[in-house]
Amino acid sequence: NAGVTQTPKFQVLKTGQSMTLQCAQDMNHEYMSWYRQDPGMGLRLIHYSVGAGITDQGEVPNGYNVSRSTTEDFPLRLLSAAPSQTSVYFCASSEYGGKSDIQYFGAGTRLSVL
Amino acid sequence: RKEVEQDPGPFNVPEGATVAFNCTYSNSASQSFFWYRQDCRKEPKLLMSVYSSGNEDGRFTAQLNRASQYISLLIRDSKLSDSATYLCVVKAEAYKYIFGTGTRLKVLA
Repeated sequence: NAGVTQTPKFQVLKTGQSMTLQCAQDMNHEYMSWYRQDPGMGLRLIHYSVGAGITDQGEVPNGYNVSRSTTEDFPLRLLSAAPSQTSVYFCASSEYGGKSDIQYFGAGTRLSVL
Repeated sequence: RKEVEQDPGPFNVPEGATVAFNCTYSNSASQSFFWYRQDCRKEPKLLMSVYSSGNEDGRFTAQLNRASQYISLLIRDSKLSDSATYLCVVKAEAYKYIFGTGTRLKVLA
């Protein structure tokens, strides 16, 4: 089982560049989310989606865009990278409205913005 | 006050010891509770969900105290492989999972 797949695993950007972090899941989960994890802080929710065509902001959405055109994919776009966006990014998915609300995580993308 | 608070540790314990972590949460309407394990530079992985009646999985026992708004994790007979960061996660609303900053555990030989 692939579960949740994130690409790339590592990325270095220059300030002002844009890029898309990819996330795909093969568990037919309706709920998907993006988090960032910084030293000394818990995972913080950036954006989430409860199904295709439905997205909403989390705790720290500024500087990021998302879309959900299919159940499987939930890409995260950095519009104009800033050093403050240097972080580890995790994508997660879970059932929504089902028996289980356990979240499953991808392996993460380590992003450095110079 | 943070929505979910954990003692960051580190907890350094010898092999075979019993160790317990607590986690407090501020939203009394929180619905679901979890303990996740995170190894260095890896993704969080579910250790166990926490149920109102308490639950056990091998050497691990989780408890929920709604009145005092905390959950706990007890690890018995600690192994070297238990060394990790343990994340407390609370589902506060239908779409909102709140993560604690984690408690670091190091089991010493």
